[in-house]
Amino acid sequence: ETGVTQSPTHLIKTRGQQVTLRCSSQSGHNTVSWYQQALGQGPQFIFQYYREEENGRGNFPPRFSGLQFPNYSSELNVNALELDDSALYLCASSLGLASGELFFGEGSRLTVL
Amino acid sequence: DQQVKQNSPSLSVQEGRISILNCDYTNSMFDYFLWYKKYPAEGPTFLISISSIKDKNEDGRFTVFLNKSAKHLSLHIVPSQPGDSAVYFCAASRMNRDDKIIFGKGTRLHILP
Repeated sequence: ETGVTQSPTHLIKTRGQQVTLRCSSQSGHNTVSWYQQALGQGPQFIFQYYREEENGRGNFPPRFSGLQFPNYSSELNVNALELDDSALYLCASSLGLASGELFFGEGSRLTVL
Repeated sequence: DQQVKQNSPSLSVQEGRISILNCDYTNSMFDYFLWYKKYPAEGPTFLISISSIKDKNEDGRFTVFLNKSAKHLSLHIVPSQPGDSAVYFCAASRMNRDDKIIFGKGTRLHILP
């Protein structure tokens, strides 16, 4: 059974740039959720994708967008990066929409300078 | 508006003793509660959960207690072991609404030798 994998693990961008983070869900899982974890905070829900459709969104501006592909892998795109976007971005997969156990990847650490 | 609160940023416990991590929530619609454990440079991993129809769930050294009237839950670890040193996140969701999981800020547990 393949777990959740994320890439890249670390990256540095400058303010105003755009970034794409990638996530491969655990085998058999059709739902992907993205979370942002700032330093000293808990994971904050960004959005969730179920069968290629966005299903629920947290309190994040439209410059945070995403995609889910037919193989259930997913991308998180952030445009016009701001310094406050510096955080650990966590992808989690699950089977179906039930809000139960999530399986997290190791995260992508984004630093915006 | 923080719906899931972990008011203790850190906790130190002697090895072999009981560790008690606390969590409060404000949304009475939450019906499913989870604890996640996170080591540095890793994603959170699921530890234990409890449905609102129960007041206790036990899994080996880990027990979660739920007090719905007080909107409070706690995680007991006994006996505490060095490998338990990690950040613990309390989380909640509305399973009956297929809703997103909301996380607290976390409590860093240090197990002292």
